[in-house]
Amino acid sequence: ETGVTQSPTHLIKTRGQQVTLRCSSQSGHNTVSWYQQALGQGPQFIFQYYREEENGRGNFPPRFSGLQFPNYSSELNVNALELDDSALYLCASSSGGPADTQYFGPGTRLTVL
Amino acid sequence: AQKVTQAQTEISVVEKEDVTLDCVYETRDTTYYLFWYKQPPSGELVFLIRRNSFDEQNEISGRYSWNFQKSTSSFNFTITASQVVDSAVYFCAQRRYNNNDMRFGAGTRLTVKP
Repeated sequence: ETGVTQSPTHLIKTRGQQVTLRCSSQSGHNTVSWYQQALGQGPQFIFQYYREEENGRGNFPPRFSGLQFPNYSSELNVNALELDDSALYLCASSSGGPADTQYFGPGTRLTVL
Repeated sequence: AQKVTQAQTEISVVEKEDVTLDCVYETRDTTYYLFWYKQPPSGELVFLIRRNSFDEQNEISGRYSWNFQKSTSSFNFTITASQVVDSAVYFCAQRRYNNNDMRFGAGTRLTVKP
């Protein structure tokens, strides 16, 4: 196990609602990255947080936002949910260096009805 | 632009067979990193290996081996004497040096039958 935890495990929401997903990073890691994995596809980078600041963002709209806390845990918030937001959301923690390896949590399965 | 291609969508083998998973990448960078991850049915991505672009030495770890060839932009993964527990989706990924955007391929679903 990586030591990266995510909550909740599963979540069901309806279109238009808002959702918050949580991630606790591995001990000693100060960087958290979030990915969206649609069914049958590879993960896609949403954004990364390093020392409580956003440190890069993929091709996702502003309704995807995040936070990182002083203990390096992180939240992913999605507003105005759409059906296409249904996916597995993966959090990865790393040490933050340019050559670091990302270690993933078990993910949160979000279903939007 | 960065792109990772895993042409094999699904592979099915019988236990004890050797199997190679292909990965081809595109990049204009001279310094980058390549990764393989395993995703079992539980969903968690399990890190297998990281390779630096300046180190083309192949690597072996138990039944797993990786063949990195810069000349063909490939980073293939071989499982020797496959086992049922190897059944999973395997992802190849690439990341630019000092960049946080890791690009994944679409994955190869490996099924190992007893």
